[in-house]
This record gives sequence, C-alpha cells and structure tokens, in this order.
Amino acid sequence: AQKITQTQPGMFVQEKEAVTLDCTYDTSDPSYGLFWYKQPSSGEMIFLIYQGSYDQQNATEGRYSLNFQKARKSANLVISASQLGDSAMYFCAMRASYGQNFVFGPGTRLSVLP
Amino acid sequence: DAGITQSPRYKITETGRQVTLMCHQTWSHSYMFWYRQDLGHGLRLIYYSAAADITDKGEVPDGYVVSRSKTENFPLTLESATRSQTSVYFCASNPTGGDTEAFFGQGTRLTVV
Repeated sequence: AQKITQTQPGMFVQEKEAVTLDCTYDTSDPSYGLFWYKQPSSGEMIFLIYQGSYDQQNATEGRYSLNFQKARKSANLVISASQLGDSAMYFCAMRASYGQNFVFGPGTRLSVLP
Repeated sequence: DAGITQSPRYKITETGRQVTLMCHQTWSHSYMFWYRQDLGHGLRLIYYSAAADITDKGEVPDGYVVSRSKTENFPLTLESATRSQTSVYFCASNPTGGDTEAFFGQGTRLTVV
C-alpha cells in the first residue's frame, strides 16, 4: 500500500524568503510519480510540479523545485522567494506508474507573512 | 467549456435522502476519480474508473455508488445521506497511467443536515 506523510500541519514564512514543505512516502512499487498541488482559499486544486522515480534530476517549475531523495523516500517542495499569493494548503501525492489512483497526504498550510 | 466540471457547487440535503453529484470532462480522459476532502485527512479516494463501465472502490467507498456509462461522465450517488458524509467532494480525471497529473474539478461542498 502507498502512503504519504506530511508532518507539518502549518508553516509560516516571511515574504521573499524560501520555504521547504516536507513530504515522505512509502511504497513498494519500483516505479512511481510524485506530485505537488496547491489549494488556495478559493478551493481549487492547482498542479505545481511532478517528479518521476527514475528521473535523475530534481524537477523545477519556476519558483518551485522538488528536492527528491529516493533513498530517504522524501520529496520535499521548495518554494523560493515566497509571495503573499503562495499562502495556501499544499498537498503531496503519489501514484504508482502501473497503479491507477493518486494517494494524497494530509497537507501543509503555508502562511506567507508580509 | 473545455475541462472538468462538477455540479452542483453547493448542496444541502437531509439525512436519509439520495443525492447525486455530477462530474463531466471534455478531454476524453480514461481515468476518473472521486475524492472527499475533510480537515486533517487530505483527499481520500472514494471510487475511481479506468474506462467506461470499469469502476473500482477506493479507500472510503461505503455509502456511495458510482457509474460510468460514458467516458465523459462519472456521477457519484449517496444512496442515503448521513451527516458523516458532509464534506467537500472533488472529481478528477487523468489521461493515462503514471506520469501525468490529475486534473480536478472545482469541488462540490455537500452539507447533510
């Protein structure tokens, strides 16, 4: 069975600073994908970034990067130069490559302070 | 409009009533999912479908029924609503297995009184 753990229920960061949101996962599947989503207060789910288990390099998308440590089974999201608009709930998710459903963690609520 | 849409956006129903949440996608994605979001639990999978006429249970299927007679529609029915089914429900779709993200609808906020 697959499981995602996000140990930080809430985080604060000062505007313009970088922040790391933790995600650890558990799976016995040899091939899988890891995803991060953002959920602002308006409620929609916004896809941010993807990392494949066999990708050699860490994924980056603009101010988002994924710190992927396969041996530690961690896939932390790094947001650089935080903005007020980054205040939201962030979910880590995974999917086995031959599996069919996405498994989500409980989420981390990020608050960016001016 | 292209994309994935859920209806209604908000629903209040009484305990014991049957209610159906609709989900429609225009991409012809193979996979569709229903999740419920509750504080402290993140998103939990209720049911999913890999193709028309193929559905399977997720983590929390009790009290729910799904069908998928057409690729683009994946309705979720609460057969006899209970207060514990008060939640935000998200429908999602995905074109393939593996390395593509799930695309989410706007969510339906259901309150059972």
